Amino acid sequence: AQRVTQPEKLLSVFKGAPVELKCNYSYSGSPELFWYVQYSRQRLQLLLRHISRESIKGFTADLNKGETSFHLKKPFAQEEDSAMYYCALRDSGGSNYKLTFGKGTLLTVNP
Amino acid sequence: GAGVSQSPRYKVAKRGQDVALRCDPISGHVSLFWYQQALGQGPEFLTYFQNEAQLDKSGLPSDRFFAERPEGSVSTLKIQRTQQEDSAVYLCASIADHSYNEQFFGPGTRLTVL
Repeated sequence: AQRVTQPEKLLSVFKGAPVELKCNYSYSGSPELFWYVQYSRQRLQLLLRHISRESIKGFTADLNKGETSFHLKKPFAQEEDSAMYYCALRDSGGSNYKLTFGKGTLLTVNP
Repeated sequence: GAGVSQSPRYKVAKRGQDVALRCDPISGHVSLFWYQQALGQGPEFLTYFQNEAQLDKSGLPSDRFFAERPEGSVSTLKIQRTQQEDSAVYLCASIADHSYNEQFFGPGTRLTVL
């Protein structure tokens, strides 16, 4: 069974500090990894996906298959980054597009 | 344009009552998903439709849960004889392009069972 683990429920940093939100996964097949974000009073939305290899709002994430990790990083956190972040996985080889989510990390960026 | 919409936004039910939750996906989106999010947890998959066909219902927790999408657009999630453990936010999501696989989420329906 596939599983996504986000070990930190809460993460607090100061503005301008680097931030890393950890995500580890357990899956025997070929996974596709995502980060979704939910800002206060907004709906869940896609932040980035590993196969795009893109940087969104200064965030990047690299899939490390050896360590089965997909950590989200940003070198200089901003107050507007405060939000709930969810790591998610799907089977890239299947035709079912359902996502398996972690429990989420609440990031607070202090001024 | 309008995103995924869900109604009602909030529902309070007495234990044993039946409830129906509605999802209007983005027009033209073929695939539709339902997730359940308990307090302090991430969303958990319930069921998946491609057009009107329910391709995966492996996440439905019991036979009290039933979902349909008869015309391949609007979907309804029905919960019969609600229990307190059914209290959660129910999220609907849809996909436009399977190759990109971005799920667009609705605002959710918060169900509280007393």
